[in-house]
Amino acid sequence: QSALTQPPSVSGSPGQSVTISCTGTSSDVDMYNRVSWYQQPPGTAPKVIIYEVRNRPSGVPDRFSGSRSGRTASLTIFGLQAEDEADYYCSSYTRSNTLIFGGGTKLTVL
Amino acid sequence: QVQLVESGGGVVQPGRSLRLSCAASGFTFSDYGMHWVRQAPGKGLEWVAAIWFDGGTKYYADSVRGRFTISRDNSNNMLYLEMNSLRADDTAVFYCGRGGYSSSWYVAHWGQGTVVTVSS
Repeated sequence: QSALTQPPSVSGSPGQSVTISCTGTSSDVDMYNRVSWYQQPPGTAPKVIIYEVRNRPSGVPDRFSGSRSGRTASLTIFGLQAEDEADYYCSSYTRSNTLIFGGGTKLTVL
Repeated sequence: QVQLVESGGGVVQPGRSLRLSCAASGFTFSDYGMHWVRQAPGKGLEWVAAIWFDGGTKYYADSVRGRFTISRDNSNNMLYLEMNSLRADDTAVFYCGRGGYSSSWYVAHWGQGTVVTVSS
């Protein structure tokens, strides 16, 4: 099964908002409420920031917001901060009982 | 707090086997599903396998099905990944992850990873 489709890179200035898209198919993103987002700063392990489309784990700032429309899930980061610079990955459960990830998006804070 | 510590990585020749371990602490291990996720050098994340809380249900990525086996020992809070017929494209950092609940399809907590290099 192919990976979910994410833009390779996005950027924004401090204080701005950015949105990262994650496009799948009717067999994954569009079918299940099991889309998650992960943040991975360079040289570190990933960390979950959104699970089940729009839920934030405790400790994750409410500047991070998840949503979905059809086959496309989105992560929006409001009020960008320098420490948000990282790689971001989406993932989704699939009809084949597997988990697939997106190719990753590098966020640069200008 | 939740701690996951992977071990068992190293350099192995193509076609050989390797067993990864993950020691879990800071939570009731037998209540949670567990995952293995890998990341090839300079590449993105790739899910490898999952096992539910009681060890009775297991799932695999197509790329490893038939070669890798996930297992757990709830008495000793340990997760394992037995890897056979290793190939060069299995070279990656392997992360152990705890699910959000007994059978969840997201990784709520991650270990720091163990490096597997398949090379002759």
